[in-house]
Amino acid sequence: DGGITQSPKYLFRKEGQNVTLSCEQNLNHDAMYWYRQDPGQGLRLIYYSQIVNDFQKGDIAEGYSVSREKKESFPLTVTSAQKNPTAFYLCASSMGGTGGMETQYFGPGTRLLVL
Amino acid sequence: DAKTTQPPSMDCAEGRAANLPCNHSTISGNEYVYWYRQIHSQGPQYIIHGLKNNETNEMASLIITEDRKSSTLILPHATLRDTAVYYCIVRANYGGATNKLIFGTGTLLAVQP
Repeated sequence: DGGITQSPKYLFRKEGQNVTLSCEQNLNHDAMYWYRQDPGQGLRLIYYSQIVNDFQKGDIAEGYSVSREKKESFPLTVTSAQKNPTAFYLCASSMGGTGGMETQYFGPGTRLLVL
Repeated sequence: DAKTTQPPSMDCAEGRAANLPCNHSTISGNEYVYWYRQIHSQGPQYIIHGLKNNETNEMASLIITEDRKSSTLILPHATLRDTAVYYCIVRANYGGATNKLIFGTGTLLAVQP
């Protein structure tokens, strides 16, 4: 089945610790995105990547880092600089390119909790 | 992206059609109407989108008024598994940061047995 997988489903972070959230897709999509969702809130864009080896900051990139070494993978690292990391993290992908449909498809999410 | 207005909540009896309205009176000519839903503690699920013609797929139908200022998502035979928050989003189809999805508060659809 084609789709987007995220792991782990739940992640606990200690003070001063960096943690990495995994996102993998087998949809052959060029573009990938990371969003953060807080309780009762909408989605906020953290980072996005339109193509391999390229990524751009979204609206709330501070305290986060990403890499895009492979088309299928877009891991997100939550660094110790992110002071309020507790949230639901969602990865999405879309076909990419120009002029085409940019429907985004989402993974199941990772819930990050701070100990 | 155009602002959308949706009722905060709706009920629907199982097996009946669920009709979810959305107002988007400031929509511009190149903006599409997208619908997603989010079941509690899961990632958003794409449902359907359209520009000006009515659209139907295996999940739902989308009816867009002729002036494009409002639309209705129709789930023809609602089941308990359709209980979720439904989001109507209006956006142009461009790449990059402009492709970010802006979710409003949505409509919580509660399907009753």
